[in-house]
Amino acid sequence: QKEVEQNSGPLSVPEGAIASLNCTYSDRVSQSFFWYRQYSGKSPELIMSIYSNGDKEDGRFTAQLNKASQYVSLLIRDSQPSDSATYLCAVNTPFGFNKFYFGSGTKLNVKP
Amino acid sequence: EAGVVQSPRYKIIEKKQPVAFWCNPISGHNTLYWYLQNLGQGPELLIRYENEEAVDDSQLPKDRFSAERLKGVDSTLKIQPAELGDSAVYLCASSLFGRRPSCGGYTFGSGTRLTVV
Repeated sequence: QKEVEQNSGPLSVPEGAIASLNCTYSDRVSQSFFWYRQYSGKSPELIMSIYSNGDKEDGRFTAQLNKASQYVSLLIRDSQPSDSATYLCAVNTPFGFNKFYFGSGTKLNVKP
Repeated sequence: EAGVVQSPRYKIIEKKQPVAFWCNPISGHNTLYWYLQNLGQGPELLIRYENEEAVDDSQLPKDRFSAERLKGVDSTLKIQPAELGDSAVYLCASSLFGRRPSCGGYTFGSGTRLTVV
């Protein structure tokens, strides 16, 4: 079982819609959770971090964390074509010198 | 503030040849990571440094890969000899946190795309 699971997609949404990206993780003691955006041919860029249960909003982005169910999600409101990218979920576990695990990413296509 | 700087951006080599990648982290960042990313996959950790010390190299194929971080700043990742399966993007990242639980994510460099032919 992989430590972090994501649906590879592609997830297609029309411009202006809400895009919902999901991620599950296997290690219950994980403490920190991150969403990275990666454009084709570029390196990952941190867009959101969340550490406690509930929602965290930053502009059009909302990260949601449910530790009991071991899932993290990212909502993108008013999706724009420029949001088209692969979104990587990353999870930190305090064991093993703060190990980070990345999911394989979900490709998002926002259609004009 | 300059970000994480990596060089070269692209490298094409023949199999069995050696290759080296260089990384300069963000100034003041004590923790440095080398990741490997295959197409369609997420980054996978190769090695993590805290200052000069390699604190996690469990995923580094030590028969052909080596890394160093002299003086706790710049780092070099080397492959010798390279194999066809080593073709991937090699990402360097840096951060401020260390052994305590993470309080922030990484900043990645632009990566080095290696093609072994």
